[in-house]
Amino acid sequence: DAGVIQSPRHEVTEMGQEVTLRCKPISGHDYLFWYRQTMMRGLELLIYFNNNVPIDDSGMPEDRFSAKMPNASFSTLKIQPSEPRDSAVYFCASSLASGLAGLVTGELFFGEGSRLTVL
Amino acid sequence: AQSVAQPEDQVNVAEGNPLTVKCTYSVSGNPYLFWYVQYPNRGLQFLLKYITGDNLVKGSYGFEAEFNKSQTSFHLKKPSALVSDSALYFCAAPNRDDKIIFGKGTRLHILP
Repeated sequence: DAGVIQSPRHEVTEMGQEVTLRCKPISGHDYLFWYRQTMMRGLELLIYFNNNVPIDDSGMPEDRFSAKMPNASFSTLKIQPSEPRDSAVYFCASSLASGLAGLVTGELFFGEGSRLTVL
Repeated sequence: AQSVAQPEDQVNVAEGNPLTVKCTYSVSGNPYLFWYVQYPNRGLQFLLKYITGDNLVKGSYGFEAEFNKSQTSFHLKKPSALVSDSALYFCAAPNRDDKIIFGKGTRLHILP
C-alpha cells in the first residue's frame, strides 16, 4: 500500500481565496483524521471521521473550515475564505480500529502533509 | 483533563550515548500511550505503544519506552544514539473522547 496520500504538498495562495486539501487514506482503514501543525500551537486535531461519517468537528477553528468524506477512499478539507493565520501544515491520518477498545489502541498512519501559505 | 506533557523542548545527545526523551501523562483509567517521530518535512511515524502488559515496550528503529505508573511517565529511550535519530518526537494518548492528543513535541539533536 502506498500509505496515506495527500495533495497538494505545497499551496501558496492569497487571502480570501478558497483552498481545498485532499486526502486518500489507506485502503481498509475506517478512521480518518485531519490535523493542523503550527509552531505556536503544535498538532491540533481538527476533525475525524469513522466509516465516512464525521464524528467530532469540535477542533475546526471556525465556519470557514469544512471537511467532507464522500467515500471510504477520499476526503477533503476546505478553507473558504482563507486567511494568513491559516498558514500551517495540514496532515491527514488514517487508522484501523483494533481491539475491544477500538480506536484508541490503533496507531495512526500520517500522510506527508500539505504546507499551506496564505499571503 | 486527560493530557500528556513533554517537559523538554530540545534534547542534545552525543552520538553513541544513550538517549531519553521524557513524557508524563495525566489520564484516568488504563492509560494507552504512544510515541511518534517526525523527520523534517515528513508526516508523523508510529514508533511504539503501551496498551497493557510489560512496562518496557520495544518499538521501531531500536527505540523502547518504559511505562512507570507510580511516576505517571512513559519515557522514550535508546541505548546508543545515531545521528539519524535527530527528529521531532511526540508522546500521545487518547483523551476522554477517544481522540488522540499529542504532546508539544521534543526536538532531539544527536551530535556527531
